[in-house]
Order: sequence, then C-alpha cells, then structure tokens
Amino acid sequence: EPEVTQTPSHQVTQMGQEVILRCVPISNHLYFYWYRQILGQKVEFLVSFYNNEISEKSEIFDDQFSVERPDGSNFTLKIRSTKLEDSAMYFCASSESLAGGSDTQYFGPGTRLTVL
Amino acid sequence: AQSVTQPDIHITVSEGASLELRCNYSYGATPYLFWYVQSPGQGLQLLLKYFSGDTLVQGIKGFEAEFKRSQSSFNLRKPSVHWSDAAEYFCAVGLEDGGSQGNLIFGKGTKLSVKP
Repeated sequence: EPEVTQTPSHQVTQMGQEVILRCVPISNHLYFYWYRQILGQKVEFLVSFYNNEISEKSEIFDDQFSVERPDGSNFTLKIRSTKLEDSAMYFCASSESLAGGSDTQYFGPGTRLTVL
Repeated sequence: AQSVTQPDIHITVSEGASLELRCNYSYGATPYLFWYVQSPGQGLQLLLKYFSGDTLVQGIKGFEAEFKRSQSSFNLRKPSVHWSDAAEYFCAVGLEDGGSQGNLIFGKGTKLSVKP
C-alpha cells in the first residue's frame, strides 16, 4: 500500500540553525500538508500546499517557515533559524483532494526535531 | 471558532473489555470527522472517517464510530479491546467552508492503556 515517507526520523540541531525536513507524499496525491505536535500537546496544522503554492497557513507558520516542492516527488519544510520552541514532531500528510471535501489525509511517520 | 474536544486524557481498560472514546466538536455545519491512531513512535494511521450517509461507520481493526448530530459527537467504540490497541487516539474534524481549505483540526488525544 502506498505510504507517505519522511526523513530523517530524528533531527537534532542547535538553536539558530536552519533545518530542512523532507517528505515524499503518495505519488498520485496533489495536496500536501505539514502538521506539528509538541510533546504532550495536540497535533496542529501548519500549512497546506497545492499546485506549487501555499493554499493555507496557520498562525504558527511565520516567516521562519517555508515549504517547497523542489522536484516531482519531495515536499520539504524549512525552518530558517530554529528556536527551542520549534522542538516537536513534524508530520507530513498528503491527499488526492482537499481533506475538507471528500478525501482523506494520509500521514507520514513524522520527524522528531530537537532544538538544543 | 471550530474545536474538537476529547474529554478523556487517559483511559485504561482490561483486555477483552469494551471501549468507548469520546469526541465532541464545535462547528456550525456538518463536519467531516476522522479518528486516527498513533502507536508509540509511529505516525498517524486513519481508523475511520465520516463524510455523510449512515451515521455508524466501520473502520479498521474492529473499530466503529457513531456520528450524533444532536450531541455534536463522534465517539469511537470497540466491543473487545486487544492489547495491541494500546495507543493514542485522535479525533479530527475536516472543514469545508470559505475560510478553510482542507486542514484538519485535532483533539488533544486520548491515551489508551490495556491491562491484561
């Protein structure tokens, strides 16, 4: 069964450093998402992406964050200058269409980001 | 604002006992409803979803959920719990309105422990 993959599984970085989290969505999906889950808290929406542009973003997704689909398969989340509070599990998801419509978002296993 | 409430943070049941995990949502229209499960160290796996039609939906692993519009609830049930069901369960709402393009709103999750 097709699945969303994410690399790395765990990333440790120093505060102020840039990190790039990578995701390979399911191949025929058109909509891509990033969510994060701070330890002990709920999963929060960050951004959705379609047709090479951001569809929607939350308040969390400030200027430090960016997303890109650099080629036909990868979908990346970049954090320009990490802060301690960016430590979280980051989930990538994809769907054939908008999940608010009639489709389902499929999630990857997550990347645990630890900022020291 | 739209929200999802899972009132139980942690539930412990005996193996073989029945299970009900509660989920309430706040939204003006009929939402799209999902239950995801997260096993330790794993990503989010879709258990079931409700979009329309029959209010009792069947999912994987023997789970079912019932949408009750009058109570704004979408409780997850399983008649006989297995030790492998120990995990964290998340209820989520997908919206389709002018202000949202498909992001999911999650509850805080309910951690299920199963005792032998």
